[in-house]
Amino acid sequence: EAAVTQSPRSKVAVTGGKVTLSCHQTNNHDYMYWYRQDTGHGLRLIHYSYVADSTEKGDIPDGYKASRPSQENFSLILELASLSQTAVYFCASSVGTGVAETLYFGSGTRLTVL
Amino acid sequence: GDSVTQTEGQVTVSESKSLIINCTYSATSIGYPNLFWYVRYPGEGLQLLLKVITAGQKGSSRGFEATYNKEATSFHLQKASVQESDSAVYYCALSDRSAGNKLTFGIGTRVLVRP
Repeated sequence: EAAVTQSPRSKVAVTGGKVTLSCHQTNNHDYMYWYRQDTGHGLRLIHYSYVADSTEKGDIPDGYKASRPSQENFSLILELASLSQTAVYFCASSVGTGVAETLYFGSGTRLTVL
Repeated sequence: GDSVTQTEGQVTVSESKSLIINCTYSATSIGYPNLFWYVRYPGEGLQLLLKVITAGQKGSSRGFEATYNKEATSFHLQKASVQESDSAVYYCALSDRSAGNKLTFGIGTRVLVRP
């Protein structure tokens, strides 16, 4: 069974509304990540976390908040959703951040902001 | 910064034919980056297909191969004979010590294998 699960699978949100994307992992990994993918772009890192109750900014954090209430759970929060945040969002986990580290991904959440 | 360029769009290939997906990279690290291919099958998350951490070496998995060519800064993915089950999106990626070991991904190449 999937070790990284995301919810919801897809969501339609209105501009200016609040959106929360959830991620749960059973890998017992310390590191968790949120990426987004847009047409014409590779996956880009939004936020990551290496321990519960702590989050770090990735490469494109503007407009997003993250929350890591436990080792297993990592949420991505869009306080005021905008059209430009329409994308597919992937959560991932890893043991550490070694240079050859393997990431384990969820199946993605397709977010459409109207 | 680091970047990865791979074959864009969709590649359609008939079953039992060969496949190649091109990938070239640019890394800011003084040393050499580590290179990866991830694959996303329909309805699933990305999963690691193969990785190579030493320049000049070849990685292989599930019939796929990729050779780390530091002179050409390339890491092309090849398979001699594809199956319908190879239909997926393939992502080339690199990790670089100078970027905190974060992964930089290409845009992904969708492969459709026709029976």
